[in-house]
Amino acid sequence: GAVVSQHPSRVICKSGTSVKIECRSLDFQATTMFWYRQFPKQSLMLMATSNEGSKATYEQGVEKDKFLINHASLTLSTLTVTSAHPEDSSFYICSARADGTQDTQYFGPGTRLTVL
Amino acid sequence: AQKVTQAQTEISVVEKEDVTLDCVYETRDTTYYLFWYKQPPSGELVFLIRRNSFDEQNEISGRYSWNFQKSTSSFNFTITASQVVDSAVYFCALSDSNYQLIWGAGTKLIIKP
Repeated sequence: GAVVSQHPSRVICKSGTSVKIECRSLDFQATTMFWYRQFPKQSLMLMATSNEGSKATYEQGVEKDKFLINHASLTLSTLTVTSAHPEDSSFYICSARADGTQDTQYFGPGTRLTVL
Repeated sequence: AQKVTQAQTEISVVEKEDVTLDCVYETRDTTYYLFWYKQPPSGELVFLIRRNSFDEQNEISGRYSWNFQKSTSSFNFTITASQVVDSAVYFCALSDSNYQLIWGAGTKLIIKP
């Protein structure tokens, strides 16, 4: 149980385009999902907390107009990187917290974004 | 302030050796959770264990064991009889009152055949 999928696993795009990443909890409902960014050889950096049916809470320094998050259902959250630039290239990881699991976050496999 | 420290940046051992990964945390909360995650080269984070702050019992799961010591604010992870497949980056994390994870910097574990 507690499987989280993420799509796509890899994406290469041109500078200026927008990229949408989907995060789905496959076998549980997730009121809360989290979006992280990870640079090479570094730890995870929380970008935002996504709550179903409400606006996402962004961490300090993360542009909400740049990284659009939508949590439309209890099993799906999307992150859209708008007008992507090379500096947005990174490994993006989502996680989902199942209600009643005592804070445990289950992670998706990640999305490798490369902006040319 | 809450903080998680994994002082070992990288550890390299030969297969079948035992290895311990250290984790020290700081928090003012009386109730909190501690976690270990494994990140293999594929990038996916694999949940290993969650420990409640009120439960100081050590836990063993196969070749993995965890030693939680509130007196020293440590939550160390030991792999016995290491295998090449154990090679990965291991993260220790602390859950705050908002259910957000405070991450350590990670320890890269290299198991040589």
